[in-house]
Amino acid sequence: AQTVTQSQPEMSVQEAETVTLSCTYDTSESNYYLFWYKQPPSRQMILVIRQEAYKQQNATENRFSVNFQKAAKSFSLKISDSQLGDTAMYFCAFMKFITSGTYKYIFGTGTRLKVLA
Amino acid sequence: DTGVSQDPRHKITKRGQNVTFRCDPISEHNRLYWYRQTLGQGPEFLTYFQNEAQLEKSRLLSDRFSAERPKGSFSTLEIQRTEQGDSAMYLCASSRGLAGGPTSYNEQFFGPGTRLTVL
Repeated sequence: AQTVTQSQPEMSVQEAETVTLSCTYDTSESNYYLFWYKQPPSRQMILVIRQEAYKQQNATENRFSVNFQKAAKSFSLKISDSQLGDTAMYFCAFMKFITSGTYKYIFGTGTRLKVLA
Repeated sequence: DTGVSQDPRHKITKRGQNVTFRCDPISEHNRLYWYRQTLGQGPEFLTYFQNEAQLEKSRLLSDRFSAERPKGSFSTLEIQRTEQGDSAMYLCASSRGLAGGPTSYNEQFFGPGTRLTVL
């Protein structure tokens, strides 16, 4: 069974600094997708970044980038130039195919990030 | 607002009562998903609809839970005889459907959730 592990329940970072959130996963599939979602307090989940497993190049989205190590099954999120608005719960997720052409997410337990002024 | 909407946002009920939640997906999305998020955990998959057909149900979805999507648009999730363990955030998500094989990718867009508290 696929599992997603986030070993850092809480983290804090000073505004404008860089922080890295860790995620490891377990799967026997060779082709899959990985995601980081952000859930601000009392607001809905939004996609931060995604990575296709067959792509060796790490995904980047503005201040957000990932370090994808397929052999180690590691998928960390780096947030550069942290902003107060980055304060949120961050979930790592693995996409598991359940029927042809669709899928469900397997989420980790989340890392609560607080950006300090 | 063209995002996923959920109603109500908060529900407090007494143990044993029935509750029903509604989800309105993004209009052009034919796929709809329900997840449950308990305190300190990530969301867990409950069920999936493609149009009006319920194609997948998690073992988490006990007999007290039922979900419908009668016309392939909005969906409802009903919990009968609620228990304190049902207290959670219930999230709805929707995505497009693309023709193709198992490697087709469709991002899921989440609604704000319905927070259920069972007293």
